[in-house]
Amino acid sequence: DQQVKQNSPSLSVQEGRISILNCDYTNSMFDYFLWYKKYPAEGPTFLISISSIKDKNEDGRFTVFLNKSAKHLSLHIVPSQPGDSAVYFCAASADNDMRFGAGTRLTVKP
Amino acid sequence: NAGVTQTPKFRILKIGQSMTLQCAQDMNHNYMYWYRQDPGMGLKLIYYSVGAGITDKGEVPNGYNVSRSTTEDFPLRLELAAPSQTSVYFCASSYSQGAKEQFFGPGTRLTVL
Repeated sequence: DQQVKQNSPSLSVQEGRISILNCDYTNSMFDYFLWYKKYPAEGPTFLISISSIKDKNEDGRFTVFLNKSAKHLSLHIVPSQPGDSAVYFCAASADNDMRFGAGTRLTVKP
Repeated sequence: NAGVTQTPKFRILKIGQSMTLQCAQDMNHNYMYWYRQDPGMGLKLIYYSVGAGITDKGEVPNGYNVSRSTTEDFPLRLELAAPSQTSVYFCASSYSQGAKEQFFGPGTRLTVL
């Protein structure tokens, strides 16, 4: 059962524009949400996270929004840069149970 | 710090063979994890450990075994390799249960033919 879903396998944006990556979850017990970034032939690296007690967390060009009633979170990247091109994984956790989405491949065109 | 290291990077196994995927971390993390990633899918937790001598099953433990004799090392054992175990395997570690951020190794690409 896919408890964390990223329905867009890929996204292409122009350099300088906003990238919005979306993620939906089904388990209301999840209390912490993370975004990881992955380049080819490397392991995922942590990008940004948010606790369920917040609805927004910002770190430089990256902002994560959480809508608990809709069980939806999104990652905004502004402005997008070519170096942001990677696969982005959404993850949700409850205690030691961490579930990942299938990932969205972001391509930022110069 | 080397962070999380994994060996080998690539491996091809025949059906029924066994092997151990090695994972080590030098950050003195208590928590360690093994994930597998199949094409087009997210990472799925195989096993995790909350400290030396303590391991527990994750979402997809069948066909695998782990041990945690030291804080640094967390090897993953495949006893009877099957084609369904063809995947990319990632090891990760974290400070504690409360620190949700996990640090990942570069992965091991395993093919079972």
